[in-house]
Amino acid sequence: NAGVTQTPKFQVLKTGQSMTLQCAQDMNHEYMSWYRQDPGMGLRLIHYSVGAGITDQGEVPNGYNVSRSTTEDFPLRLLSAAPSQTSVYFCASSYGAGNEQYFGPGTRLTVT
Amino acid sequence: GIQVEQSPPDLILQEGANSTLRCNFSDSVNNLQWFHQNPWGQLINLFYIPSGTKQNGRLSATTVATERYSLLYISSSQTTDSGVYFCAVGYFGNEKLTFGTGTRLTIIP
Repeated sequence: NAGVTQTPKFQVLKTGQSMTLQCAQDMNHEYMSWYRQDPGMGLRLIHYSVGAGITDQGEVPNGYNVSRSTTEDFPLRLLSAAPSQTSVYFCASSYGAGNEQYFGPGTRLTVT
Repeated sequence: GIQVEQSPPDLILQEGANSTLRCNFSDSVNNLQWFHQNPWGQLINLFYIPSGTKQNGRLSATTVATERYSLLYISSSQTTDSGVYFCAVGYFGNEKLTFGTGTRLTIIP
């Protein structure tokens, strides 16, 4: 099993550009989520999904969109990048919301 | 929402020492997990422990749900234990996991 994979590992965007961060898991997990990690603030939940076709907002959803068309994939879209979105983004998955979570390696995003 | 506090924020120890990391939370939980973020940024799940005690090698964890805290014990520290340790909690009827701000552990050879 590859576990949770994320692409790209690094990305630099200019303000106003859009992009999609990819996340995939091969463990048949129903629950997937996106976090951002900023210095001194721990991890904050952006969006999550409890299964294909179902998504909901986390703590900091503004500026981000998600969709879940398959169990395996959970892409995160930045609609119009802003410098405040400079962060490290982690995707995670688990069998259910209350189960042990597994994290991907992260994507380091810089918005100039 | 639920509040999660971790202490101490920073800890520097000599190799071979033991340590105790604490996680306090503000509400009843049915989900508590400990993670280690290594110096390369990878997050590894150490324990899923909403209550009780678990051990895995030199690491063990105890959660006392009724008193709203959890402890992570690291014995005979090694340099590879360095990194940031996070506690994350979730509670009944809520599908979100809330993270604390972490304890940064540095093990000196």
